[in-house]
Amino acid sequence: DTGVSQNPRHKITKRGQNVTFRCDPISEHNRLYWYRQTLGQGPEFLTYFQNEAQLEKSRLLSDRFSAERPKGSFSTLEIQRTEQGDSAMYLCASSPRNWGGGTEAFFGQGTRLTVV
Amino acid sequence: SQQGEEDPQALSIQEGENATMNCSYKTSINNLQWYRQNSGRGLVHLILIRSNEREKHSGRLRVTLDTSKKSSSLLITASRAADTASYFCATDPAGTARQLTFGSGTQLTVLP
Repeated sequence: DTGVSQNPRHKITKRGQNVTFRCDPISEHNRLYWYRQTLGQGPEFLTYFQNEAQLEKSRLLSDRFSAERPKGSFSTLEIQRTEQGDSAMYLCASSPRNWGGGTEAFFGQGTRLTVV
Repeated sequence: SQQGEEDPQALSIQEGENATMNCSYKTSINNLQWYRQNSGRGLVHLILIRSNEREKHSGRLRVTLDTSKKSSSLLITASRAADTASYFCATDPAGTARQLTFGSGTQLTVLP
């Protein structure tokens, strides 16, 4: 175990191609988050799952972006028709059920996407 | 948009000195968290302070929270070269635990 796992760690793709990233959260965590981070900035929220339900989506998540969490386990984030502006680090995080009472989010190492 | 803003944006100190970073936020909060990020890596949770707490300690870390001023500070005492990283504050403005809103971070460099 052990922590949040993200694959791949790096992805270089040509503009217009589709890419898919995977996140495996900590097994007992029912909450899963996706964030995007560009150089020199803090992470920006993209979307939130509680179990298999996608309960929050940021306005940043355009219709080219789609995320799933089948069976409430791993999650995928797909970007269709990639653009150079999609180049960023995509971070996944998970947290246990009682996060609202004040527990931390556990982050993966991220997937760095470069669109050329 | 970013909820929190860290100050300063960059800080360079000598090993053994203390480092203080500040965070200001805009809306009421349930809790405020501090995270560390080493270059090119994921974020690591450091400490969480609830809105009804004013100060919290964890090892060499001391966090304060002033909800009347909507601000928090992170103090790292007796800094080490290994503390070199970016530090972010994060809040849950809606109190729903459905997302964190991060500031833009403070880049701390500790010189040996």
